[in-house]
Formats: sequence, structure tokens, C-alpha cells
Amino acid sequence: QSVLTQPPSASGTPGQRVTISCSGSSSNIGEGYVYWYQQVPGTAPRLLIYRDTERPSGVPDRFSGSKSGTSASLAINGLRSEDEADYYCAAWDVRLSGVFGGGTRLTVL
Amino acid sequence: QPQLQESGPGLVKPSETLSLSCTVSGNSIRDSSFYWGWVRQPPGKRLEWIGSIYYSGNTYHNPSLKSRVTLSVDMSNNQFSLKLTSVTAADTAIYFCGRVNIEYSSSFIFDYWGRGALVTVSP
Repeated sequence: QSVLTQPPSASGTPGQRVTISCSGSSSNIGEGYVYWYQQVPGTAPRLLIYRDTERPSGVPDRFSGSKSGTSASLAINGLRSEDEADYYCAAWDVRLSGVFGGGTRLTVL
Repeated sequence: QPQLQESGPGLVKPSETLSLSCTVSGNSIRDSSFYWGWVRQPPGKRLEWIGSIYYSGNTYHNPSLKSRVTLSVDMSNNQFSLKLTSVTAADTAIYFCGRVNIEYSSSFIFDYWGRGALVTVSP
């Protein structure tokens, strides 16, 4: 069982807005920043969001992050077929070290 | 943009030591803005951070693996390495090396990744 909890799956149709949640605790999300990765199966992860809401250069503004208390969310606006991938949240846990969520498989219908 | 490439044996016997290297091009390991680290992913499972190292030798480790992990840097070859001792089948995974950008306020978040190397632990 992951320290950070994500729904195992999510789905949407092209053009829709989809959100993926990440639930943690006061020792991780409640204590520091949240990060989000996108991983197309068979490839390395790609950093989408850092420090809760910031996007690295090259990441479309369709992707956005938010955080409240001990939970965080990744939102994808204008869903595209190429967004079909696994999404992972990550945070530093003061008890355990760097931890990742269990991942959410996003399907574009 | 930096490029990272993992190298090492794809098959390791139980109880032996897993050894991987990561060669970096397009970025000096001595660059004070970055750490260098390892993350693994067992087949079909979530990512797991192993540890990160600074060019000076300063390291951060996942406590669950710390007693078995050694990280090192080879500045002459612009490489860094991972050794994991006493491996079992549970250590079978894709091992990724990556660059940790200090700007992102974390010691385990990679902004650039290698393609990954599958290491299988089996007799």
C-alpha cells in the first residue's frame, strides 16, 4: 500500500477536463511540495509539475497542479489521445524519504 | 539537454551484488545545480526512489534500502554508479538513472531520465 494514494484509473473523452487526485498525510503532502510525472508505458517518466503548481519548460499549460492540506490534484484540460499514460504523484515524507503514489492509468476514450 | 544512459548486467544471481553505471553527456557531473540519482520500477508496479548523490559525495538514501546501497561518482568519466548488495527476486526492476534539479526543492525529483535498464534477479 502506497504512502500516497491515487485512484488506479481515470478516463475521459477528447477535449474533456480530467482530474487525478493524490491523498497523503501531514508527514508528506502536508509538510512539503507535490510533484507529478507522466509515464507512457515502456518509457521513462516525464516531469509535469514541480513545487505543487509549477510546470517545467515544454510542458503544455493544459496541465496544472493544485494542493490543499494533505491532498493534491493534477488537472488536464482539453484532453488529447497522447495524454493516455500513467500518472504518478510524488512527495518527500519526513519519516520515510521520497515517496511515489501508486499511479493512475488514464484512458482517453 | 543532458542525456543519461544506464549500463550494467541485465541478470544477477540471488545474494550477489547488482552494479549499474550511468554515463552523463551534455552536462557535467560537477555542476553544483544538480544531484544525480537512481529510481527503480518493478514490472507493473510503482516507482521507488533508491538514492541521490552530489558530486562532492554527499548522498541521500531511501532508508528501506540504505543498508544495501552504495552510490558513487566518477568525475573523470562523468559517470555515477549504484551498487545494491544481497539481491533477491524482489529487486528485479527497471532501474532508471536521472538528474535531480536542486531548483525543484527536492533531492529525489528527476528532470531528466535515462531510458532505464531491466535487471532481473534469477539463478
